[in-house]
Amino acid sequence: EPEVTQTPSHQVTQMGQEVILRCVPISNHLYFYWYRQILGQKVEFLVSFYNNEISEKSEIFDDQFSVERPDGSNFTLKIRSTKLEDSAMYFCASSGQGGRSNQPQHFGDGTRLSIL
Amino acid sequence: AQSVTQPDIHITVSEGASLELRCNYSYGATPYLFWYVQSPGQGLQLLLKYFSGDTLVQGIKGFEAEFKRSQSSFNLRKPSVHWSDAAEYFCAVEKGGNLIFGKGTKLSVKP
Repeated sequence: EPEVTQTPSHQVTQMGQEVILRCVPISNHLYFYWYRQILGQKVEFLVSFYNNEISEKSEIFDDQFSVERPDGSNFTLKIRSTKLEDSAMYFCASSGQGGRSNQPQHFGDGTRLSIL
Repeated sequence: AQSVTQPDIHITVSEGASLELRCNYSYGATPYLFWYVQSPGQGLQLLLKYFSGDTLVQGIKGFEAEFKRSQSSFNLRKPSVHWSDAAEYFCAVEKGGNLIFGKGTKLSVKP
């Protein structure tokens, strides 16, 4: 069964540095998402992306965050200047259709981001 | 505002016993509901989903869930739990294409 893949599995970065988290969505999917899960807390929506632009973003997704689909397969999340509170597990997801459809989101295994 | 509540933070059941994990949602329209499972160090795997139609939905690994509109609930059940079911379980409702998750219920299974 096709999978969403994320790299790296664990990223350690100094505070203030830029970090890029990478995702390869399922190949025929058109809708892409990033979520994050701070340790011990619930999974929170960050951003959704369709047709090369952001569809929706949460209040967590401030100017320090950006997303990009640089080629036909990758979907990236960039954090420009990391803060300690950015430490979390970041999940990428993709789906074949958008909201109110019968196609669910499929998640990757996540990237654990640790900010020192 | 849309929200999902999972009232049980941690549940322990004996292997072979039945299981019910509770989920209540708050949503103005007909909800699209999901259960995901997260094993330690892994991502979120979809167990089952409800979009419309039959209110009892079957999922993978022997799980099922029942949508009860009158109670705003979507409880997850399994008749006989296996040790490999130990994981964290998340209920979610879709809002505008995005998922709103509950805080999760951690399931421990004792021999």
